Amino acid sequence: EIVLTQSPGTLSLSPGERATLSCRASQSVSSSYLAWYQQKPGQAPRLLIYGASSRATGIPDRFSGSGSGTDFTLTISRLEPEDFAVYYCQQYGSSPTFGQGTKVEIK
Amino acid sequence: EVQLVESGGGLVQPGRSLRLSCAASGFTFDDYAMHWVRQAPGKGLEWVSGISWNSGSIGYADSVKGRFTISRDNAKNSLYLQMNSLRAEDTALYYCAKDIGGMIVVVNVFDYWGQGTLVTVSS
Repeated sequence: EIVLTQSPGTLSLSPGERATLSCRASQSVSSSYLAWYQQKPGQAPRLLIYGASSRATGIPDRFSGSGSGTDFTLTISRLEPEDFAVYYCQQYGSSPTFGQGTKVEIK
Repeated sequence: EVQLVESGGGLVQPGRSLRLSCAASGFTFDDYAMHWVRQAPGKGLEWVSGISWNSGSIGYADSVKGRFTISRDNAKNSLYLQMNSLRAEDTALYYCAKDIGGMIVVVNVFDYWGQGTLVTVSS
């Protein structure tokens, strides 16, 4: 099983700032089969990024993904008030697994 | 508009069974693989099981293998999860999720989710 470790656990930032979230895999993720999801309290997760860097339908371009192998990054270029949430990475190269999540909170 | 509506959750004693259902609409159900993903209270996400469009390919997380059975009825646009020998650690909100892939490929990326049905396993 591929274990995904996200850091930091919590990111305290202000609206307008840049957010950089990390996801590290215990072994190489084949073909960059890495996705990112956003989850707000009381809501289902929302797909943001798949294939490490492809934005899902309707996702604003302030969200971008990068990385390969074992190290991946989700960047939110300028935080909007609606972006404060928990973010999960997920690998889907083998039996799917998720990271433990990074909470982006208002500073 | 894609809609996924789960049902069947509730309070159940350890060792008992429960069957979850997911009613899908707004897309061609039998073109897509479908999945169950769960989230324990206050915790992260865990993929539980997935099934291809024609039920020809099925997968389970190790934590539920041998106890849970996924199935689908394309004529009814419905997905199911039969959960047997339930344990306290199965307590979670269970989401039905649509695979992003098409008819041939199971991608295991989830582009639409329901709102979930809560399963509580407790005596």
